[in-house]
Amino acid sequence: GDSVTQTEGPVTVSESESLIINCTYSATSIAYPNLFWYVRYPGEGLQLLLKVITAGQKGSSRGFEATYNKETTSFHLQKASVQESDSAVYYCALGLTEGADRLTFGKGTQLIIQP
Amino acid sequence: EAAVTQSPRNKVAVTGGKVTLSCNQTNNHNNMYWYRQDTGHGLRLIHYSYGAGSTEKGDIPDGYKASRPSQENFSLILELATPSQTSVYFCASGEGRQTLYFGSGTRLTVL
Repeated sequence: GDSVTQTEGPVTVSESESLIINCTYSATSIAYPNLFWYVRYPGEGLQLLLKVITAGQKGSSRGFEATYNKETTSFHLQKASVQESDSAVYYCALGLTEGADRLTFGKGTQLIIQP
Repeated sequence: EAAVTQSPRNKVAVTGGKVTLSCNQTNNHNNMYWYRQDTGHGLRLIHYSYGAGSTEKGDIPDGYKASRPSQENFSLILELATPSQTSVYFCASGEGRQTLYFGSGTRLTVL
């Protein structure tokens, strides 16, 4: 079946340091799924951070970036300089079928930013 | 302003009891979803709906029922709650473009 594997947390990073959270995917029923990063801040629901639907393209939002790499089936999340407000749980996800909204999520990576 | 609202935020239930989790959305989205999140697992889809009166089974529907009486409301029902259903439950709405809007979650503990 379809699956998403991401960096196991918690990940602890000092403020202003760089960050990478790895995400790899396996999609058995479609060659090029849509790829997503969602984020859940404390006490809130998940919200979309960024989305890329075309292989080879890069998505960016709030200083985060992720590039859709079809060769390595990866969609790693990166940020050059993290802030304390980035502390949250980050979920990588893939979607197969437009119109259905069905997403397959990874386990989530808790990110802790140390001041 | 919250577009997807879940209630209750926290719930403690007894084994064998009936539990209803409620979700209301003001996005006017056709699609609604119930997920559960457990430590060591990603969000797993329990039930979903394409509109009022429709419910579909997700990946882990056993032990759960769903009800979509209107565009705005989508409930998850545990007829006979078990401790294995202790979890955090998230409701979400979407319009078919795979951008989901989530509620803040319901933490359910079944004793």
